[in-house]
Amino acid sequence: EVQLLESGGGLVQPGGSLRLSCAASGFTFSSYAMNWVRQAPGKGLEWVSGISDSGDSTYYADSVKGRFTISRDNSKNTLYLQMNSLRAEDTAVYYCAKDLMSVVPSYFDYWGQGSLVTVSS
Amino acid sequence: DIVMTQSPDSLAVSLGERATINCKSSQSVLYSSNNKNYLAWYQQKPGQPPKLLIYWASTRESGVPDRFSGSGSGTDFTLTINNLQAEDVAVYYCQQYYSTPLTFGGGTKVEIK
Repeated sequence: EVQLLESGGGLVQPGGSLRLSCAASGFTFSSYAMNWVRQAPGKGLEWVSGISDSGDSTYYADSVKGRFTISRDNSKNTLYLQMNSLRAEDTAVYYCAKDLMSVVPSYFDYWGQGSLVTVSS
Repeated sequence: DIVMTQSPDSLAVSLGERATINCKSSQSVLYSSNNKNYLAWYQQKPGQPPKLLIYWASTRESGVPDRFSGSGSGTDFTLTINNLQAEDVAVYYCQQYYSTPLTFGGGTKVEIK
C-alpha cells in the first residue's frame, strides 16, 4: 500500500524558514517524480514544486522560485521542501504527491494527508 | 503559464441525475506527437486530500466508478458524473500537465439538490 506521510509543518513568523518532509513507502520511490501541492484555507489547489526521480531536475511555481527548494533522498525514501523567506500568503496545507512519470511533473496518483504551514506574527 | 478555467463554480444536482463540469485551458494541452491531451481530473472531499479520477482527459483511474467520465480535446474538457450519488458530493478540479508550471482549475463544488 502506497503511503505518503508529511511532517514539519507548524507556525512560523514572516521571513522565517521551515522544512517539510514526506516519508514514502509502498512503491519504488526512486522510480517516480515527486511533487508538492498546496492549498490555502478555503481555496483551491496550487502546484508548488516537482522533482525528477533522480533529483537532477527540479521545477518551481513562480510564486516560490528563489525561496523554496525541493530535494529528495532516495536512500531514505524521503522528499523535502525547504521553505525560506516565508510570507503570510504561503499559509496553506502542503501535500506531498506521487507523480506517474519519472522526469517531468505530470499528474498525481497518490497524495499525503497534508501538513499545515501557518505564517503569522 | 496555462490558465485553467472551470465552470460553473458550483452546482446542485438531484440524486440519480447527471452533473456536468467544464474546464477550459488558455492554450491547447493536446500534444500532437502522441495525440494525447495532458489533462487530469481530481475529486476532493472535505478534510481529505484530492483523489485522481481521470487522466489523459478520458482514462479512468483504477477503482473509479464508471459513472465518472471525461471528454474533450485541445482546450475544452468536460467531467460528467452520471447517476449522481450522495458520496459524490465534493469539489472537482481539472489540472493540465502539458507544461510547467502545472496548473489547476479553480474547482467546482457539487452538491445534492
